Amino acid sequence: AQSVTQPDIHITVSEGASLELRCNYSYGATPYLFWYVQSPGQGLQLLLKYFSGDTLVQGIKGFEAEFKRSQSSFNLRKPSVHWSDAAEYFCAVGTLNNDMRFGAGTRLTVKP
Amino acid sequence: EAQVTQNPRYLITVTGKKLTVTCSQNMNHEYMSWYRQDPGLGLRQIYYSMNVEVTDKGDVPEGYKVSRKEKRNFPLILESPSPNQTSLYFCASSSRRQGRTEAFFGQGTRLTVV
Repeated sequence: AQSVTQPDIHITVSEGASLELRCNYSYGATPYLFWYVQSPGQGLQLLLKYFSGDTLVQGIKGFEAEFKRSQSSFNLRKPSVHWSDAAEYFCAVGTLNNDMRFGAGTRLTVKP
Repeated sequence: EAQVTQNPRYLITVTGKKLTVTCSQNMNHEYMSWYRQDPGLGLRQIYYSMNVEVTDKGDVPEGYKVSRKEKRNFPLILESPSPNQTSLYFCASSSRRQGRTEAFFGQGTRLTVV
């Protein structure tokens, strides 16, 4: 069965600094990979997804992620963080039958 | 507007009192699922349904029931809630008709069982 590991439970960055959130997955076939963001008291919003093709994918709000098959990773990046990016971020891996598994999440705090 | 609607958003109940959380989607998606979110554990799948009248257990199905009589609705039933079912619950739907798509989530239902 597929699984996802997000090694960082909590990350704090200064506003304007760059950000990288780590995600490692385990799945025997070609994975479908996602990053979702959850603001306090809100549902989950899709940031970006990878199904196939270019391994560097662009998402909303200036986020991007890179699929590295050799490292089983799908790390999320943003060159300059804004205070409004403070939220919880979830990486997920999906399968052909639409089953999805989520990581435990990484909470991002943005310092002024 | 494409959306997944859950009701209620907030619910406080007592141990043993049966409750139902409704979920409805207007995107004609075949696949629907329920997750619970707990601190440090992320989202864990409770049940899923690949189409009408087809349901199956996820990772944490104990204490829950579901049904899928219509394509758009996928209610979550707690026959005898217990305090360990206090959690934030999300319903999600997705489609396979046009290749793989992402899951669309409802706004969540915060359940407290006392």
